[in-house]
Amino acid sequence: SQKIEQNSEALNIQEGKTATLTCNYTNYSPAYLQWYRQDPGRGPVFLLLIRENEKEKRKERLKVTFDTTLKQSLFHITASQPADSATYLCALGTSNTGKLIFGQGTTLQVKP
Amino acid sequence: NAGVMQNPRHLVRRRGQEARLRCSPMKGHSHVYWYRQLPEEGLKFMVYLQKENIIDESGMPKERFSAEFPKEGPSILRIQQVVRGDSAAYFCASSPPLPNTGELFFGEGSRLTVL
Repeated sequence: SQKIEQNSEALNIQEGKTATLTCNYTNYSPAYLQWYRQDPGRGPVFLLLIRENEKEKRKERLKVTFDTTLKQSLFHITASQPADSATYLCALGTSNTGKLIFGQGTTLQVKP
Repeated sequence: NAGVMQNPRHLVRRRGQEARLRCSPMKGHSHVYWYRQLPEEGLKFMVYLQKENIIDESGMPKERFSAEFPKEGPSILRIQQVVRGDSAAYFCASSPPLPNTGELFFGEGSRLTVL
């Protein structure tokens, strides 16, 4: 069956460290993968998109990798700050529409 | 430069009533998507619309749910005869016409509580 999995347990790290979040999927062939941030009571906010033929994408303190062989994406936040505390969602896209398959999200808590 | 506007932000209905959720996409965006987020679950795709057309409704429950995006006015997600299991956050997202960058712009959601 098709699955997309993110760490369900919250990730707690110290300010200044690098946070690494994982997204694994099975039985999908995504054309691209996206990461979103969601704060409590708010809508998701787009962060990064990486296509199937790309290995790595960076944006400021954020880095995403995409391994279609392992069927895994890693999302890194370097020099993390308490303001980075939120839930991070990965989402697969299999077509050129906005129909996405979302993971459950991983909650990140950055302690000062 | 308003973002995606959803209203109401919170809606309380009794079982059997109707719920109407509205979404105005970002200016210039012609694609609208509705997603549902149940407590402790991820976002689930419901429907994809363009002006006056339903493009993909594969995620919509077969009964009681309908969506439209008329030529004028906001997109509407309508839930008839609501049940407790419909309690969730309903998010609308929009994107520009193709080709686009692929990102979705989400509203803040409408939180439906069914008593």
